[in-house]
Amino acid sequence: SQQGEEDPQALSIQEGENATMNCSYKTSINNLQWYRQNSGRGLVHLILIRSNEREKHSGRLRVTLDTSKKSSSLLITASRAADTASYFCATPPRGGYQKVTFGTGTKLQVIP
Amino acid sequence: NAGVTQTPKFQVLKTGQSMTLQCAQDMNHEYMSWYRQDPGMGLRLIHYSVGAGITDQGEVPNGYNVSRSTTEDFPLRLLSAAPSQTSVYFCASSRGREPNTGELFFGEGSRLTVL
Repeated sequence: SQQGEEDPQALSIQEGENATMNCSYKTSINNLQWYRQNSGRGLVHLILIRSNEREKHSGRLRVTLDTSKKSSSLLITASRAADTASYFCATPPRGGYQKVTFGTGTKLQVIP
Repeated sequence: NAGVTQTPKFQVLKTGQSMTLQCAQDMNHEYMSWYRQDPGMGLRLIHYSVGAGITDQGEVPNGYNVSRSTTEDFPLRLLSAAPSQTSVYFCASSRGREPNTGELFFGEGSRLTVL
């Protein structure tokens, strides 16, 4: 069964606005990763947050992790048309990092 | 540096035919895996390998075989293709076994249609 689930399933915003998507997971994890997938392409790693971290930044990306709620959020600030893509969280379970499972993704559309 | 290379990019099969999807990586990664992606289902793990000679099942292994004879290659075999195996297949690799690492590098995908 899939470990992570993203919310919302789809999001449409205007260029320049912020986009927030959430990920919930079921079991204890070593880390949580966010990936982007442009249409028709493979996934690209964006950012990894460890289970002992609460917040991490990378450029316009901000990721938070709440292990007590088993949830994470990805914030993209000042969005651009090029951010249009699907975003997935991946959650290697503690003790079973090999079975990296993904959620169904959030499809983000940034309107110029 | 090519990264993860998948072939073929597109394939059409008839029900019952067999084929192999190829995956090769040139990053000396220990870990390799296969996913399938279907609309509304996200990515589902088929099989994975933590090193040459070591493979294990993921979430949806039925109908697929894998082997890992070298570090570089991880082919996925469909023994008798079924329409339910129509999907986009992704191969991914990562550096090693340590916890708190494990960034996956993905290939560009192989789109398979089974008629």
